[in-house]
Amino acid sequence: GAGVSQSPSNKVTEKGKDVELRCDPISGHTALYWYRQSLGQGLEFLIYFQGNSAPDKSGLPSDRFSAERTGGSVSTLTIQRTQQEDSAVYLCASSLVRLTRLGSYGYTFGSGTRLTVV
Amino acid sequence: TQLLEQSPQFLSIQEGENLTVYCNSSSVFSSLQWYRQEPGEGPVLLVTVVTGGEVKKLKRLTFQFGDARKDSSLHITAAQPGDTGLYLCAGIPQGGSEKLVFGKGTKLTVNP
Repeated sequence: GAGVSQSPSNKVTEKGKDVELRCDPISGHTALYWYRQSLGQGLEFLIYFQGNSAPDKSGLPSDRFSAERTGGSVSTLTIQRTQQEDSAVYLCASSLVRLTRLGSYGYTFGSGTRLTVV
Repeated sequence: TQLLEQSPQFLSIQEGENLTVYCNSSSVFSSLQWYRQEPGEGPVLLVTVVTGGEVKKLKRLTFQFGDARKDSSLHITAAQPGDTGLYLCAGIPQGGSEKLVFGKGTKLTVNP
């Protein structure tokens, strides 16, 4: 597609339920990132996928969070047993090249999934 | 600990005024980027600066990367209501990290 697509755009869930958030990156972009944006907290890194390499999971806040990327394209972020503190906007981004060779390239972000845990 | 400190956090000005937003750190960055985010949307890349002392201009926006590559600024001349949004700086810490580190952002409101 022309841009990064995320679904759903909004999700309200009950505390303790599992949720799945989907990201469809720009075709051909080898790098995919998940960030979380909470009110007043900026963007918090969660996980990074680059090609066939093992993902960098160093930002995942707990073992309730997991993500996978199938076929080097679509990614799913799963949050198990959701808690109220998980409420945030979850942003996915993709980029064409490895970040350390970013040059003039940047991330292309999706519009995010607003997750509300009640 | 916030690696990138942005100031001011909030800024409300009248159309036609000039403004500067700052992004500071005690760490050295390989490069810095500026993004603009509107409500309900993801951040959109404005510029990347990679060389210490570099200045880039994008119409009425001027971006500067500090000589020591620890800080950056965004200056907007003759602000317009369309400039309203959340401005985020983000950088790659020197050392090859693959993850962008973001500041908390500056929320700019330009009143007509």
